[in-house]
Amino acid sequence: DQQVKQNSPSLSVQEGRISILNCDYTNSMFDYFLWYKKYPAEGPTFLISISSIKDKNEDGRFTVFLNKSAKHLSLHIVPSQPGDSAVYFCAASKGGGADGLTFGKGTHLIIQP
Amino acid sequence: GAVVSQHPSWVICKSGTSVKIECRSLDFQATTMFWYRQFPKQSLMLMATSNEGSKATYEQGVEKDKFLINHASLTLSTLTVTSAHPEDSSFYICSAGTSGRGANGYTFGSGTRLTVV
Repeated sequence: DQQVKQNSPSLSVQEGRISILNCDYTNSMFDYFLWYKKYPAEGPTFLISISSIKDKNEDGRFTVFLNKSAKHLSLHIVPSQPGDSAVYFCAASKGGGADGLTFGKGTHLIIQP
Repeated sequence: GAVVSQHPSWVICKSGTSVKIECRSLDFQATTMFWYRQFPKQSLMLMATSNEGSKATYEQGVEKDKFLINHASLTLSTLTVTSAHPEDSSFYICSAGTSGRGANGYTFGSGTRLTVV
């Protein structure tokens, strides 16, 4: 049973435009959510996170929105740059992450020039 | 920043042999390490949690006698795939951190691509 779902395997966005990556979860016990960026043959790199007590967290070009009632979060990247092309994973944890992370399958973001 | 080194990056082994994967924290003491596995087109799945000096905690469905985890020091954890079979072929990746830190405080290794032939 997939507790964290990323329903878009891939997303193509023009350079300079906004990229919106979506993630849904089913476990209401999750209280901390993270986004990771991954290049081939490398480990995931932490991008941004959000606690369940917030609905928005912003860091430079990256903003994560959390809608607890809908069990949905999204990552906005604006403006999108060629270097943003990668696979993005949504992850969730309980208890602040002490028990490991539950990941989605990832979305391959392609930024087109 | 925190650096986690994972070796080897890829390995091919014969069915029935054992393979050891190392995960090292280079510039910090990792009291907790997580081991994940990723099959093609699937998400990273947590296999086990290891805390330095104690036995690893395995997720449901993960055979502890097949996937031996040792976390004997604050900078090194190893995952040994014993009697490997082709279905064990996967991408294995560790993450390391210090207990008490939030989930964003954990750093991932670069992963190990295991192919069992």
